[in-house]
Amino acid sequence: SQTIHQWPATLVQPVGSPLSLECTVEGTSNPNLYWYRQAAGRGLQLLFYSVGIGQISSEVPQNLSASRPQDRQFILSSKKLLLSDSGFYLCAWSSFSGNNSPLHFGNGTRLTVT
Amino acid sequence: QQQVKQSPQSLIVQKGGISIINCAYENTAFDYFPWYQQFPGKGPALLIAIRPDVSEKKEGRFTISFNKSAKQFSLHIMDSQPGDSATYFCAANNNNDMRFGAGTRLTVKP
Repeated sequence: SQTIHQWPATLVQPVGSPLSLECTVEGTSNPNLYWYRQAAGRGLQLLFYSVGIGQISSEVPQNLSASRPQDRQFILSSKKLLLSDSGFYLCAWSSFSGNNSPLHFGNGTRLTVT
Repeated sequence: QQQVKQSPQSLIVQKGGISIINCAYENTAFDYFPWYQQFPGKGPALLIAIRPDVSEKKEGRFTISFNKSAKQFSLHIMDSQPGDSATYFCAANNNNDMRFGAGTRLTVKP
């Protein structure tokens, strides 16, 4: 069966510090990978998605970046965090084969920028 | 802009009652409509989904009603239980581009 792992679960970082959140998927090959951000009381905002190694599409301009160094690894990074980067970050995957595959989410990382 | 509009923002229902959450969309290219359930501190989990060629789908106590001409769909939770208390998100998908509603926080009172 497929599983998705995200870490860390919680993170407190000062403004201006770097960020690296990691996500890995097991049990499937060539998945579509996604990073979402969920602000308190708000919906899910798509940040990045990837259909393959090294292929990253960005939805919104920001000081965050994403990379996919391996087929089942997706990393969210920042060189300098802003207060507004605080939120709940969710990694998700969907099957590459077939249109309209459901998204499967990890348990998220709660990021607080102080 | 919000491509999927969801209401209400919050909902309180008595145990045994019916919970109804509504969503509307504009983009007619959407062709897959899932609902997700999220408990605090967890990622959303797929609850039930429907395609636009079907007007209704039922799985246990959960039913999706879909109105293609009105571009609206809704989630009905029958016999709501305290364990159903969670945040629910509707979504609309086109070619693996999934857009979410803002979420509904459901509280089921015992």
